[in-house]
Amino acid sequence: QSALTQPASVSGSPGQSITISCTGTRSDVGGYNYVSWYQQHPGKAPKLMIFDVTNRPSGVSTRFSGSKSGNTASLTISGLQTDDEADYYCSSYTSSGTLVVFGGGTKLTVL
Amino acid sequence: QVQLQESGPGLVKPSETLSLACAVSGYSIRSGYYWGWVRQHPGKGLEWIATIDYTGDTYYHPSHKSRVTISVDTSKNQFSLKLNSVTAADTAIYYCARWGGIANGRKFDYWGQGTLVTVSS
Repeated sequence: QSALTQPASVSGSPGQSITISCTGTRSDVGGYNYVSWYQQHPGKAPKLMIFDVTNRPSGVSTRFSGSKSGNTASLTISGLQTDDEADYYCSSYTSSGTLVVFGGGTKLTVL
Repeated sequence: QVQLQESGPGLVKPSETLSLACAVSGYSIRSGYYWGWVRQHPGKGLEWIATIDYTGDTYYHPSHKSRVTISVDTSKNQFSLKLNSVTAADTAIYYCARWGGIANGRKFDYWGQGTLVTVSS
């Protein structure tokens, strides 16, 4: 069982917006602003999309945004495109013994 | 541009030691940052295994601490993972990645392409 909880799947149509949640505890998501999000296409390495809850690395589309409330972080993708179809993982720094914890991943389907 | 490349055997026998190396280009390991290993069981999620910083301080996932060693070779600008006494449960894609740490943000910003390691006799 993963340390952070994500929905197994979400779906949306092109042009729509979707939000993926990531729930942890006060030892990780709730206690630090060190949540990051990764996109992984099949057979590819993960790609950093969001870091420090809300920041986008250079080159990542502004359609991707992050937020946090309490122990739950969220990734929102607006203006869905077919290429957004991928697995998305959240991650957080943690003070609970491991350095980093990941969510179980969410499969995004763009219908 | 920072690039990471994993190398090592794709097949390891049960009870033996899995050894992987990650060659880093475009950045000198001794300049900073943390360097880590993340694995992904087939069709499953990501699992952090271990991280080492540029000073040699190591961090291990408690579940693997007794079997794992991570090390850095600054002369080759690479870092390595050794996992002892492997079983079929260690079959996974192993990724090496750069982690920012305290000074550069707690995020994996560069990843290797991953290497599949199968544990089988």
